[in-house]
Amino acid sequence: DAKTTQPPSMDCAEGRAANLPCNHSTISGNEYVYWYRQIHSQGPQYIIHGLKNNETNEMASLIITEDRKSSTLILPHATLRDTAVYYCIVRLPGGSNYKLTFGKGTLLTVNP
Amino acid sequence: GAGVSQSPSNKVTEKGKDVELRCDPISGHTALYWYRQSLGQGLEFLIYFQGNSAPDKSGLPSDRFSAERTGGSVSTLTIQRTQQEDSAVYLCASSPAAVTTNQPQHFGDGTRLSIL
Repeated sequence: DAKTTQPPSMDCAEGRAANLPCNHSTISGNEYVYWYRQIHSQGPQYIIHGLKNNETNEMASLIITEDRKSSTLILPHATLRDTAVYYCIVRLPGGSNYKLTFGKGTLLTVNP
Repeated sequence: GAGVSQSPSNKVTEKGKDVELRCDPISGHTALYWYRQSLGQGLEFLIYFQGNSAPDKSGLPSDRFSAERTGGSVSTLTIQRTQQEDSAVYLCASSPAAVTTNQPQHFGDGTRLSIL
């Protein structure tokens, strides 16, 4: 699986949009981009995933650049409960690629 | 809807005792995974079940660890003769279909295991 690079930490004001970047410059054509987050003392929570097109669900939007070398997770109106470590991973379906690994992620702190 | 349910949420036991951890996956999910996460560390894959296929046990750290999945639903992870290095959060995840698809894994909140 391609490696990803994320900033170690970010701050965001409550009610503002949080834009979390992820670099995956070595991504291959069939690898998907997934975002998870982990709130303190909870299990990882799936947020969103995509291949080429931008995606939106009730939690967030995922913007993938045309060359697919980077992506941005957007939380449109961050709340205090969105404070968590956010992980960006890329995964190719198939084989033994179900063994998920997380990097260090981005600690997003939402401030009142 | 109901997510992945794990029990107990916390378990404290003495070194040398056996422990059983339970995972109830999301209804209809055929794939089930166990991971563990040590303090400040990343995910460590333990075992994967898919339908009636033989499980992938390649991540189990020793023969003290075993897992089963009965009826294609509930799974139990058993650790025999626990050691202090077994202390960790044990996470279960499930996904809707075979992993040849892009379907994401959904996690429970884990069992925090502490070995005294």
